[in-house]
Amino acid sequence: DGGITQSPKYLFRKEGQNVTLSCEQNLNHDAMYWYRQDPGQGLRLIYYSQIVNDFQKGDIAEGYSVSREKKESFPLTVTSAQKNPTAFYLCASSKVGQINQPQHFGDGTRLSIL
Amino acid sequence: GDSVTQMEGPVTLSEEAFLTINCTYTATGYPSLFWYVQYPGEGLQLLLKATKADDKGSNKGFEATYRKETTSFHLEKGSVQVSDSAVYFCALKMEIQGAQKLVFGQGTRLTINP
Repeated sequence: DGGITQSPKYLFRKEGQNVTLSCEQNLNHDAMYWYRQDPGQGLRLIYYSQIVNDFQKGDIAEGYSVSREKKESFPLTVTSAQKNPTAFYLCASSKVGQINQPQHFGDGTRLSIL
Repeated sequence: GDSVTQMEGPVTLSEEAFLTINCTYTATGYPSLFWYVQYPGEGLQLLLKATKADDKGSNKGFEATYRKETTSFHLEKGSVQVSDSAVYFCALKMEIQGAQKLVFGQGTRLTINP
C-alpha cells in the first residue's frame, strides 16, 4: 500500500547537536511538507517543496533545513540554532495542481531534548 | 490572511450523544475545506472534505457542509462512539503565491465516555 513513512518515531537531541528526521513517500506525489505540532496547538508549516531540488520556507523555518534530492524523500534537519525543538513533527505529501486534493500525513516523529 | 477558527476544547460527551464541532474560516478566494482526525501518538488522517459551496462531505457517520454565506464547515455526528475519541482539525486549502497550502485550526480534543 502507498503511504508516507517517517522515522524514527522517537528522537532525542543533545545540546548543540543537529538531528535529521526522515520522510519517505511512495505515493508519487510531487509536493511534500513538514509541520511542527506543539501540545494543544494546531500545525505550523516549517518547509515545503513542490518539485525536486526546490523548496520554500514556511511560517517557522528558522533553525531548520531541508533537502529534496529525490521525489520520494524530504528529510528535515533540526539544527542547534532551533532553541526550542521539543515537538511532534509531521511530514505530508500531496499532488500538485489540484486544490481539492488532500494532504496525506505520516505517523510523525516526536523529538525531545536530553 | 487566511485563517481557521475552531470551537475550543476539550469536548466530553457520553456515548450515543450528538456531536457538533464548530469551524469558521477567513479566506480571500474559494478554498477547499477538510476535516482531519488525529488519534493518540499518530499522524493526521483525512476524515472528509468539501471543495465548493453547499458541498457536503461525509465519512464514518460524520458530516460537514461547506457554507459560503456563513464561512463555516461545522462537523457533526448523530451518535458518537468511544472510538471517536481523538483530536479533530479543520483546515482550508488555498493557492498562495503559486503554492497550495493547508491552514489548520488549533484542533478540538474530543473524549467520549462509555
